[in-house]
Amino acid sequence: GAGVSQSPSNKVTEKGKDVELRCDPISGHTALYWYRQSLGQGLEFLIYFQGNSAPDKSGLPSDRFSAERTGGSVSTLTIQRTQQEDSAVYLCASSWVGNTIYFGEGSWLTVV
Amino acid sequence: GEDVEQSLFLSVREGDSSVINCTYTDSSSTYLYWYKQEPGAGLQLLTYIFSNMDMKQDQRLTVLLNKKDKHLSLRIADTQTGDSAIYFCAELLGGTDKLIFGTGTRLQVFP
Repeated sequence: GAGVSQSPSNKVTEKGKDVELRCDPISGHTALYWYRQSLGQGLEFLIYFQGNSAPDKSGLPSDRFSAERTGGSVSTLTIQRTQQEDSAVYLCASSWVGNTIYFGEGSWLTVV
Repeated sequence: GEDVEQSLFLSVREGDSSVINCTYTDSSSTYLYWYKQEPGAGLQLLTYIFSNMDMKQDQRLTVLLNKKDKHLSLRIADTQTGDSAIYFCAELLGGTDKLIFGTGTRLQVFP
C-alpha cells in the first residue's frame, strides 16, 4: 500500500481482556517497529523485526505483551489481560534497512 | 543510557524563527531525524540528516548537527500557526536499526 496501515484505529476494551493490534507495513519494507506513546509522553520502543532475524524484544514492558510478524509482512501486537496503564497510542513503523522510517497513524487503545 | 533529551515547551510569535534543540546519546548514530506530530495524528517525518553532515536545509527547515557535542537542532523560519505541534528528534543507533526518540518539544505559535 501507499503507507503503513494500522487497525483498529481506535479500541476500547475492558480491563483483563486481550487485544490484538495489526500493522500492514509499506510493501517491500523489511524492517518493522512497534512503539507506544502514552498520553503526553514520548515514544517508547517496544519491538523491532528485521527480515528473518530474531526480533529485538528489549522494549516489551512485560510478558503480557507479544508480537509476531507473519511472512515478513503483516505484524500483530498482542496485549493479554490488559491493564489501565496499557492505555496509549500504539504506533507501527516500517523501513528498508538503514533508510527512512515511516509511521502509521497509530492504534488508540483505551482500557476501561 | 538511551535518553534523548529535548526541552518540553517552546512558544514563539507567528513570523519569528523557532529553534528546537535535542541532545542525543550515541556518537555512532548514523541518521538523525525530526518528526512532527499534530494533535490526534500520527508521526510525520519532517527531515533527517546523515551523521557525516553538519547542516541540511529544506525550504523553511534547517537542521544543524554538532557531532562533538551530540547536539541536533531544528530551525523553522517564518513560523506559522500550522507549525504548532509536538516535534520529536530521533537517532538511529549505530550498528542497529533501533530508533530512539526524544521526549518531544511542544511548539506553540501565537499570533
